[in-house]
Amino acid sequence: DTGVSQDPRHKITKRGQNVTFRCDPISEHNRLYWYRQTLGQGPEFLTYFQNEAQLEKSRLLSDRFSAERPKGSFSTLEIQRTEQGDSAMYLCASSFGGNYNEQFFGPGTRLTVL
Amino acid sequence: SQQGEEDPQALSIQEGENATMNCSYKTSINNLQWYRQNSGRGLVHLILIRSNEREKHSGRLRVTLDTSKKSSSLLITASRAADTASYFCATVFSGNTGKLIFGQGTTLQVKP
Repeated sequence: DTGVSQDPRHKITKRGQNVTFRCDPISEHNRLYWYRQTLGQGPEFLTYFQNEAQLEKSRLLSDRFSAERPKGSFSTLEIQRTEQGDSAMYLCASSFGGNYNEQFFGPGTRLTVL
Repeated sequence: SQQGEEDPQALSIQEGENATMNCSYKTSINNLQWYRQNSGRGLVHLILIRSNEREKHSGRLRVTLDTSKKSSSLLITASRAADTASYFCATVFSGNTGKLIFGQGTTLQVKP
């Protein structure tokens, strides 16, 4: 399967714990985006990378959130000191080329913070 | 905050009927994209329509774009039970980084 993959698919954690999610984009895609989706809402942009450079971060991305794409391939999203409000689906998408091409989404990581 | 508003929020039809969903947005866009999401899953890209295009087709899907009214519609013809899903429009602003700004979605139920 050459689509976008995300791991884990589900994560249950206790408030205050740290969690890390991984996204593997389609191999030739230079752009990688992270979105968050809460129940009944559309996804909201968090951050994006062009190759290994993180070029934009939403104000939704508090100091507890950090994302990396060290070699311009896979990316990780870490949430420190999780809160119940962090419970959501975290979606990763990748695209090739410039600003205006379609994005291909992974299956998402569903986070539940107890 | 999300840019788009979708109408209706929920739609229930019989198999074989057509389904129309509408999306409105607030600012100038480079393109508008429609996605489908089955319950609890990732998004599947359906169609991308650019600001200089007025209509696009893909199989049973027809998308229109009216930039003067800042609105778009998605028509699914001859619906099937497998079309049951949430449908989202997403816009890309002119001059931005390519990030998608999603509406709240329309939940479509197609009854067999």
